[in-house]
Amino acid sequence: EVQLVQSGAEVKKPGESLKISCKGSGYSFTSYWIGWVRQMPGKGLEWMGIIYPGDSDTRYSPSFQGQVTISADKSISTAYLQWSSLKASDTAMYYCARRASSSFYFDYWGQGTLVTVSS
Amino acid sequence: EIVLTQSPATLSLSPGERATLSCGASQSVSSSYLAWYQQKPGLAPRLLIYDASSRATGIPDRFSGSGSGTDFTLTISRLEPEDFAVYYCQQYGSSPPWTFGQGTKVEIK
Repeated sequence: EVQLVQSGAEVKKPGESLKISCKGSGYSFTSYWIGWVRQMPGKGLEWMGIIYPGDSDTRYSPSFQGQVTISADKSISTAYLQWSSLKASDTAMYYCARRASSSFYFDYWGQGTLVTVSS
Repeated sequence: EIVLTQSPATLSLSPGERATLSCGASQSVSSSYLAWYQQKPGLAPRLLIYDASSRATGIPDRFSGSGSGTDFTLTISRLEPEDFAVYYCQQYGSSPPWTFGQGTKVEIK
């Protein structure tokens, strides 16, 4: 069974750093792209970026380029989303999702990680 | 970047009724690379339709997708109580970012 299990909720202060994770299981982690999607409170889905764990090829949305870093550790089947200096506007739910093998839609999703940034 | 516009923002219907959701693209979506997702409160999105008209595994046949180019439609033939949710379209026919629409909420009338 394919599963993406994300790390738990985080409460941080502005200016702090953060790295959240997404662990894949039940499939060949290195053979599928993993994407990250933001959902701000009460809002829609925003495509942030995507990584291929096999070779760490990464693509970012222009809206998020330079604001976050996406990485992966294939030895432990885990993808990451990190911030070096959080802002209050980073408060959101963040989902990881697996890109389908045959195309570019997301076929499996993690449960989400809620990030709250508040002073 | 392709912008997707979903309409209406909210659809108020009764169980058993037919729901028709629209997704318009700012430029043609190549190869009909468009997906639909359903999201219920507190849960992650779930894939319903991919490549504009193919149902994902386990999705009931009351859900159907159609369209090409810049105009796409998700139809729910007869609404069941569990279908009241928010629906998003996503295009993946161009270079990244593979953008989402802003969502349509299907609520109980």
